[in-house]
Amino acid sequence: NAGVMQNPRHLVRRRGQEARLRCSPMKGHSHVYWYRQLPEEGLKFMVYLQKENIIDESGMPKERFSAEFPKEGPSILRIQQVVRGDSAAYFCASSPPAGDGEQYFGPGTRLTVT
Amino acid sequence: AQSVTQLDSQVPVFEEAPVELRCNYSSSVSVYLFWYVQYPNQGLQLLLKYLSGSTLVKGINGFEAEFNKSQTSFHLRKPSVHISDTAEYFCAVIQSDGGATNKLIFGTGTLLAVQP
Repeated sequence: NAGVMQNPRHLVRRRGQEARLRCSPMKGHSHVYWYRQLPEEGLKFMVYLQKENIIDESGMPKERFSAEFPKEGPSILRIQQVVRGDSAAYFCASSPPAGDGEQYFGPGTRLTVT
Repeated sequence: AQSVTQLDSQVPVFEEAPVELRCNYSSSVSVYLFWYVQYPNQGLQLLLKYLSGSTLVKGINGFEAEFNKSQTSFHLRKPSVHISDTAEYFCAVIQSDGGATNKLIFGTGTLLAVQP
């Protein structure tokens, strides 16, 4: 059973470009969480999705950020018109439908905005 | 709002010495508690978790943690550390009130630096 997959592992974008981060949850997991880790900080919750539904996006910046988890395919975190402050590690985690709260993390995507 | 405090940003320790990494949480309601480890440039790996039952929880790699409700603490311990334990350790909490979101609230992390 493969773990949570994220790609790309490293992404470099110039200011103003778009960044697309992908996350494939573990097999059988229908819940996906996105977290952001800024340099020298802990992880901050961004958004929680189930298949085709955004359940909680209370941690998402109001502008430029969006997330989806379609019926088929990976979850996508999209950042439009990136700025230097978006440079961070973005982690995806997944959990099964009736889990105990434990989340399984992917290796992360490290976004660098130049 | 819930918060998690890890007072020590860095803990240096010699190999084979015992170590304790401190974690306190703010919630007064029932919580689930977790410790994760992050090796350089990698994702997070679960060390151990407390959901209910015995307050002493044993995890992987010889780590254990004790849930103390009165002190709202969940300190992580290991009796004898190895060089390979050098990593960032994160304490996290979920509020178990049946809410729709099991989002993890993380502390700022403690870097465990094991020296030979």
